[in-house]
Amino acid sequence: EVKLVESGGGLVQPGRSLKLSCAASGFSFNDYWMGWVRQAPGKGLEWIGEINQDSSTINYTPSLKDKFTISRDNAQNTLYLQMSKLGSEDTAIYYCARARKTQIPFDYWGQGVMVTVSS
Amino acid sequence: DIQMTQSPASLSASLGETVTIECRASEDIYNGLAWYQQKPGKSPQLLIYNANSLHTGVPSRFSGSGSGTQYSLKINSLQSEDVASYFCQQYYNYPTFGSGTKLEIK
Repeated sequence: EVKLVESGGGLVQPGRSLKLSCAASGFSFNDYWMGWVRQAPGKGLEWIGEINQDSSTINYTPSLKDKFTISRDNAQNTLYLQMSKLGSEDTAIYYCARARKTQIPFDYWGQGVMVTVSS
Repeated sequence: DIQMTQSPASLSASLGETVTIECRASEDIYNGLAWYQQKPGKSPQLLIYNANSLHTGVPSRFSGSGSGTQYSLKINSLQSEDVASYFCQQYYNYPTFGSGTKLEIK
């Protein structure tokens, strides 16, 4: 069974940093592009970015590329999202997801982790 | 960014009815269009990719069509388990999503 389990969320103060993790199991992690999508409370979805199998290619949505860093550890089957200079606009559920290659939709998503930015 | 305009924002229909949700892209996305279903409190699930290809395990009452800038998702014979929000997504360029359609049973 494919499982993607996000962790590391919670309450964080404005201006601080936070690192999310996504533990993958039930499939060959090395064979997939992985990515992050977020959803503000009661709002739509925003694609953050993606990383290829060997971390040689990382794509970000332009408006977020200076704030977020995506990385992965294939030995640990884990995907990461480093977030910096957080503001209230970053309050959202963060989902990790997988895709066979770039420029195709994510075919499986985790259940998400909530990040709340507030003082 | 490619903007995706989705309509309607909400929809109420009876069991057994057919419903259609539309998405318009701000430029040609060459069938790089997916549809997702998101049930309350759950993560999105892929329904359709490449505008009209059904993802594995998705019931055949779901179908997608369109080309260029105009795309649609049709749900035939609406069932109670179809109550959800539906989002379109273009992936021709940096992926962007429509604002969603909340589907309820009348």
